[in-house]
Amino acid sequence: IAGITQAPTSQILAAGRRMTLRCTQDMRHNAMYWYRQDLGLGLRLIHYSNTAGTTGKGEVPDGYSVSRANTDDFPLTLASAVPSQTSVYFCASSAYSGTGSNEQFFGPGTRLTVL
Amino acid sequence: EDKVVQSPLSLVVHEGDTVTLNCSYEVTNFRSLLWYKQEKKAPTFLFMLTSSGIEKKSGRLSSILDKKELFSILNITATQTGDSAVYLCAVDSRGSTLGRLYFGRGTQLTVWP
Repeated sequence: IAGITQAPTSQILAAGRRMTLRCTQDMRHNAMYWYRQDLGLGLRLIHYSNTAGTTGKGEVPDGYSVSRANTDDFPLTLASAVPSQTSVYFCASSAYSGTGSNEQFFGPGTRLTVL
Repeated sequence: EDKVVQSPLSLVVHEGDTVTLNCSYEVTNFRSLLWYKQEKKAPTFLFMLTSSGIEKKSGRLSSILDKKELFSILNITATQTGDSAVYLCAVDSRGSTLGRLYFGRGTQLTVWP
């Protein structure tokens, strides 16, 4: 593994179903983020984690949950998917730890369609 | 309301043209401004700017920050078809969400041969 990987690459999901998007990084970065990208709206922060064991809500957290059991993994769960959650989801990480640069590195994305 | 505003939202040029992309921002506890290029998939990092008036350059791309007027520009000279992408501006703010990046909506650049 090099950088950030996300799985699945794409998924079609029935409304009401539960879905977990996986994200793994091998850069030993402290901070990790989940964004959704919708046409015309740019990247919006869903949840973030500054270090293993801690998480926080971003701009659009409703309907999503995250966990950060270790440094490398940061899964995003949709408990009961709705069509408005159709989007492209990007995971990102940075070495940021309260000081220094917050340059974020992005995974390849997951295209999710909820029908 | 938008904290990071990019303009134009889209731009179509011919190869060889020079383009200027704009990013204005309004955030608390400004730390830095970042530019990303997004082609088919993940955004890739271009520049990080922290100080006013210091130009960052990489080949045909350059960028500068004005912290007094709260904006940045990204210049691309002698454009090529490979420059076609969405260019994203993001601001690093150390506000209520620690280390949060605020993204603009992006500028879609299309370069025709």
